[in-house]
Amino acid sequence: AQSVSQHNHHVILSEAASLELGCNYSYGGTVNLFWYVQYPGQHLQLLLKYFSGDPLVKGIKGFEAEFIKSKFSFNLRKPSVQWSDTAEYFCAVNAGTGGGNKLTFGTGTQLKVEL
Amino acid sequence: DGGITQSPKYLFRKEGQNVTLSCEQNLNHDAMYWYRQDPGQGLRLIYYSQIVNDFQKGDIAEGYSVSREKKESFPLTVTSAQKNPTAFYLCASSNVLQNTEAFFGQGTRLTVV
Repeated sequence: AQSVSQHNHHVILSEAASLELGCNYSYGGTVNLFWYVQYPGQHLQLLLKYFSGDPLVKGIKGFEAEFIKSKFSFNLRKPSVQWSDTAEYFCAVNAGTGGGNKLTFGTGTQLKVEL
Repeated sequence: DGGITQSPKYLFRKEGQNVTLSCEQNLNHDAMYWYRQDPGQGLRLIYYSQIVNDFQKGDIAEGYSVSREKKESFPLTVTSAQKNPTAFYLCASSNVLQNTEAFFGQGTRLTVV
């Protein structure tokens, strides 16, 4: 069964600090990978996604993520965070048609950016 | 506008009663999903459906039931067998053939008293 692990549950950073949130998944086949963000009081929004091709993907608001197949990882990065990045971040994996299109999420990372 | 509509936004029920949460999409997506979001536990998959008249159990299906009689609709029933039904419920859909990401509704907050 596929699963997703996010090891950082709560992260506190100062503005302009760099961010890296870890995400590891378990599934032996081809996967599609996603990072979603949930700002306070808002619904889930897609930050970025990986289906195939360049393993370094760029998303909205300066976020990027790197897919490392050998490590089953899809870590999220941002060189310089802003106060407005305060939100909860979710990594997700979809095994695609071959895996029944089951979309599984991690437990989330609560990011707080302080001024 | 295209999107996913969940209703109602807030729902209160007495313990022991079944309750059905609505989810409708006009995105022409084949796949639909139901998740439960609890603090510190992320989104846990309850049920999902790839096509009409077919659905699969997710990771926490006990105490829940679904139907997929129409492509646009995927209602979730929280039964009295669900031991801890108070939660925030999210519905999502995606285009299987075009391999898109999932789009989410605004959610329904269910409180059982």
